[in-house]
Amino acid sequence: AQSVTQLGSHVSVSEGALVLLRCNYSSSVPPYLFWYVQYPNQGLQLLLKYTSAATLVKGINGFEAEFKKSETSFHLTKPSAHMSDAAEYFCAVSEGTSYGKLTFGQGTILTVHP
Amino acid sequence: KAGVTQTPRYLIKTRGQQVTLSCSPISGHRSVSWYQQTPGQGLQFLFEYFSETQRNKGNFPGRFSGRQFSNSRSEMNVSTLELGDSALYLCASSLDGNQAQHFGDGTRLSIL
Repeated sequence: AQSVTQLGSHVSVSEGALVLLRCNYSSSVPPYLFWYVQYPNQGLQLLLKYTSAATLVKGINGFEAEFKKSETSFHLTKPSAHMSDAAEYFCAVSEGTSYGKLTFGQGTILTVHP
Repeated sequence: KAGVTQTPRYLIKTRGQQVTLSCSPISGHRSVSWYQQTPGQGLQFLFEYFSETQRNKGNFPGRFSGRQFSNSRSEMNVSTLELGDSALYLCASSLDGNQAQHFGDGTRLSIL
């Protein structure tokens, strides 16, 4: 069975500082991994995805994530936080045999201080 | 290209009633998945439809059901509503169920 753990339900950074949101996964088969962002009263927007190609994945809005199989991790980073990055972020895993099912972490709320 | 459209955006119902939520996927997407989002349980998978067939199902009671039409539009039905069914219901579409899913803005269901 697949599972996702996001370390830290709340992360606070200053504008311009590094953003690091942690995600560890468990999967019985090579996984597909995703990061989504959710703004208040909206659905989830795809930031980036890992589907067994390059281990360093670049996404939208300056975010990137690195797949580390040995650590079963897929941490999300952004070199310089912007006020508009304040939102809730979700890491998700999909197994190829489990059609249409994403298993999500509990989410991390990112706060950006001026 | 239009995104995933969910209607209605907000619904208020009372216990015991039933409700139907609608989802129109991105054009060309044949897979539609449904999720329930609550503060306590987070995002939980309900079911997935592909070519009018339910291919995958989460751990929800039979009161939760769905269907998909030939144009890939999908509906979700919840019967005999309970207070605990209050949640944001999200629909997502993808090409085949294994690619990245694209989400609608959800339907917020409140049970009084």
